[in-house]
Amino acid sequence: EVQLLESGGGLVQPGGSLRLSCAASGFTFSSYAMNWVRQAPGKGLEWVSAISDSAGRAYYADSVKGRFTISRDNSKNTLYLQMNSLRAEDTAVYYCSKVRSSVLVRTGEFDYWGQGTLVTVSS
Amino acid sequence: QSALTQPASVSGSPGQSITISCTGTSSDVGGYKYVSWYQQHPGKAPKLMIYEVSNRPSGVSNRFSGSKSGNTASLTISGLQAEDEADYYCSSYTSSGSVVFGGGTKLTVL
Repeated sequence: EVQLLESGGGLVQPGGSLRLSCAASGFTFSSYAMNWVRQAPGKGLEWVSAISDSAGRAYYADSVKGRFTISRDNSKNTLYLQMNSLRAEDTAVYYCSKVRSSVLVRTGEFDYWGQGTLVTVSS
Repeated sequence: QSALTQPASVSGSPGQSITISCTGTSSDVGGYKYVSWYQQHPGKAPKLMIYEVSNRPSGVSNRFSGSKSGNTASLTISGLQAEDEADYYCSSYTSSGSVVFGGGTKLTVL
């Protein structure tokens, strides 16, 4: 059974940093690209970032480019999102998601999602 | 990248069919086969219902179907059931190499 378990969310002040983790199991983690998607309270979904299976390629939404860094450790089956210079508008539930096919990276086809971790940016 | 345009809400009675539209541009919906649809119940993670415009993942009911015409994609749910009441989101790959979601549609089963 595929499982994705996010952690690392919490309350942080504007300008602060936070690192999210996503522990994966139930599939060959190193064969699939992974993505982060967020959802502000009461709002819709927003794609944040993607990383290829080998971690050789990373992609970002314009809203987080230069502030967020996606990475992965295939030896630990874990996905990360380092978030710096956080702003109030980054407040959201952050989901890690697995791409549907091993040949895809950032097409928006996510067949498994974690339960999400809440990041609140406030003073 | 602007969000894809979806109606804020749709409704239907049990047994009826409803269609949710998702309008983009030739740089996203109209230009690629990578249009997906997600169902999200309150407090839960999204669930993939349709991928590549009209394909259903294993385990998704055949009451759910997808299509596309030009820059507009559509999700049709036939034989509405109470459990279908949820928020629905479309998504598309874009020419800028990113992913864009629709604003979401709240489906109410009357």
